Amino acid sequence: DAGVIQSPRHEVTEMGQEVTLRCKPISGHDYLFWYRQTMMRGLELLIYFNNNVPIDDSGMPEDRFSAKMPNASFSTLKIQPSEPRDSAVYFCASSISGGYNEQFFGPGTRLTVL
Amino acid sequence: AQSVTQPDIHITVSEGASLELRCNYSYGATPYLFWYVQSPGQGLQLLLKYFSGDTLVQGIKGFEAEFKRSQSSFNLRKPSVHWSDAAEYFCAVEPGGSYIPTFGRGTSLIVHP
Repeated sequence: DAGVIQSPRHEVTEMGQEVTLRCKPISGHDYLFWYRQTMMRGLELLIYFNNNVPIDDSGMPEDRFSAKMPNASFSTLKIQPSEPRDSAVYFCASSISGGYNEQFFGPGTRLTVL
Repeated sequence: AQSVTQPDIHITVSEGASLELRCNYSYGATPYLFWYVQSPGQGLQLLLKYFSGDTLVQGIKGFEAEFKRSQSSFNLRKPSVHWSDAAEYFCAVEPGGSYIPTFGRGTSLIVHP
């Protein structure tokens, strides 16, 4: 398997623009997680899905952030409008229930909002 | 709710020296425990995990960790560090069966030649 795939790897945008980050989990995995990593706050869980259903979005910073998982092989994290404080590395991870609880992380998307 | 503390933000060791990274957790029962490594520009990769049984667990890349219930600790060790071990290390705790880990803030390992 190719592992968790994220796109784009780097995104530079201007404040106020819409940003969409994409994730393809490992085939067969039924959990999908979105994390944000910054120097100040470390690794934060934003939202997670189980069987394509959002289970807990309490980590989503505010209404500007939204996430969807229309099917088992694709998820998006959208920021609209973006702000400079959203600059961070965003990771997608997947795992499988009944397995060893290991999370498999994608390479991340480095977002810079100017 | 569970929590994880990694008291060392940075650790500097010389190549060939031994290494111990500390991790303390707070959770009412015995949790699932993990160590992940993040190399620069990459996502996190699992080094090892503890669910139950033998309290000394072996992982990849020559790492091991010991679960000490009395100290609520799960410290990561390596007898001889290689320059390629320079990375960020994260401890994580998960209530058994929840699939939702809580990560520590991470410890940055710097290896001097």
